[in-house]
Amino acid sequence: GENVEQHPSTLSVQEGDSAVIKCTYSDSASNYFPWYKQELGKGPQLIIDIRSNVGEKKDQRIAVTLNKTAKHFSLHITETQPEDSAVYFCAASRRINKFYFGSGTKLNVKP
Amino acid sequence: SAVISQKPSRDICQRGTSLTIQCQVDSQVTMMFWYRQQPGQSLTLIATANQGSEATYESGFVIDKFPISRPNLTFSTLTVSNMSPEDSSIYLCSVGTGGYYEQYFGPGTRLTVT
Repeated sequence: GENVEQHPSTLSVQEGDSAVIKCTYSDSASNYFPWYKQELGKGPQLIIDIRSNVGEKKDQRIAVTLNKTAKHFSLHITETQPEDSAVYFCAASRRINKFYFGSGTKLNVKP
Repeated sequence: SAVISQKPSRDICQRGTSLTIQCQVDSQVTMMFWYRQQPGQSLTLIATANQGSEATYESGFVIDKFPISRPNLTFSTLTVSNMSPEDSSIYLCSVGTGGYYEQYFGPGTRLTVT
């Protein structure tokens, strides 16, 4: 089956700096890569996703890049704000009813 | 995206008892899923709840321990049976709204077994 590795496990940045979280996957057939943000006491929230026919996608301060050849994808958050502090999960999938999640990254944005 | 609610939001239960968690969606959805998130860990899929048929369970999860119902396209329940402290987790339902592959999660049920 698919194996998704996520790094780093914790990330601390100063407000206004950029944050980058990286994931690698093993199944070359995976074709959908979502990112979720989970705040304390809440369920995961889908913040951005990318499909395998696209190399980059941007939505305001967040962007995701995908390198199919190297089988890795990354989440980029620019101009970080304290409200970006949360746990972020990546996932990979090749069918709708099977997501493989990374282990999570705890992002702390210091004011 | 759909609006998803779960009941209860949290509970503390005695070992050996059972708890039924409800998941309600504000629109009809094809796919509903149940996940477990152990403290400080990632998400693990328990099963896919199929409307009108039995749920499809992932390896390591069995129907006797986690019976699931899906009576219609907006509602599902997950029961955690004969609980032990190892069942202490957040239980999340998610839905696929018919888009490409997107899944949207409910707020979760925080279960503590003593």
